[in-house]
Amino acid sequence: DIQMTQFPSSLSASVGDRVTITCRASQSISHYLNWYQQQPGKAPKLLIYAASSLLSGVPSRFSGSGSGTDFTLTISSLQPEDFGTYYCQQSYITPYTFGQGTKLEIK
Amino acid sequence: QVQLQQWGAGLLKPSETLSLTCAVDGDSFSNYYWSWVRQSPEKGLEWFGEITHSGYTTYNPSLKSRVTISVDTSKNQFFLKMTSVTAADTALYYCARGRRFDYYYGMDVWGQGTPVTVSS
Repeated sequence: DIQMTQFPSSLSASVGDRVTITCRASQSISHYLNWYQQQPGKAPKLLIYAASSLLSGVPSRFSGSGSGTDFTLTISSLQPEDFGTYYCQQSYITPYTFGQGTKLEIK
Repeated sequence: QVQLQQWGAGLLKPSETLSLTCAVDGDSFSNYYWSWVRQSPEKGLEWFGEITHSGYTTYNPSLKSRVTISVDTSKNQFFLKMTSVTAADTALYYCARGRRFDYYYGMDVWGQGTPVTVSS
């Protein structure tokens, strides 16, 4: 299985800050990388697919980049509603696998 | 707007069979991949497998021996069965819709989750 590792495991930032979360795959996955947001008590929500494509309706402050084994999710200007845990997931090959999550707290 | 509504027994004893149902409301059942994912503090998010409307399945090899995913297109429902559960199977179980975005894939609609506890 492809292992997905996220950095950091948690972070705290202020409204308006630029936030970056990193995801690393144990082997090359081209651009087959998704990002999800999960808020407490809710199911994960798909934000970005194909490493950098925003799902319709996702605010433009979210962006993704990367290819191969290294990927980033960036929130350009953090908003209060962006708290939660963010997960990366590879869709290059089954079984699809997820990172362990990055918990984002708003200061 | 498509919604996934899931249900099933939430408390099981070791060695019993877990059975969950996910109903798809508001969209075509075709052209998508219908998945099961579970979440636990120990293992995080874990993909079980998926099924198409025609019944083609793909399973996570680590769980394949105990898991069956099936579909009833007449009811727009799909199902998860997992045999011989243990305490390690205690988790929050989600159904989800997988879709293709050109050559790429993501799970863009999720059920509300069903907590399952395995305890004697």
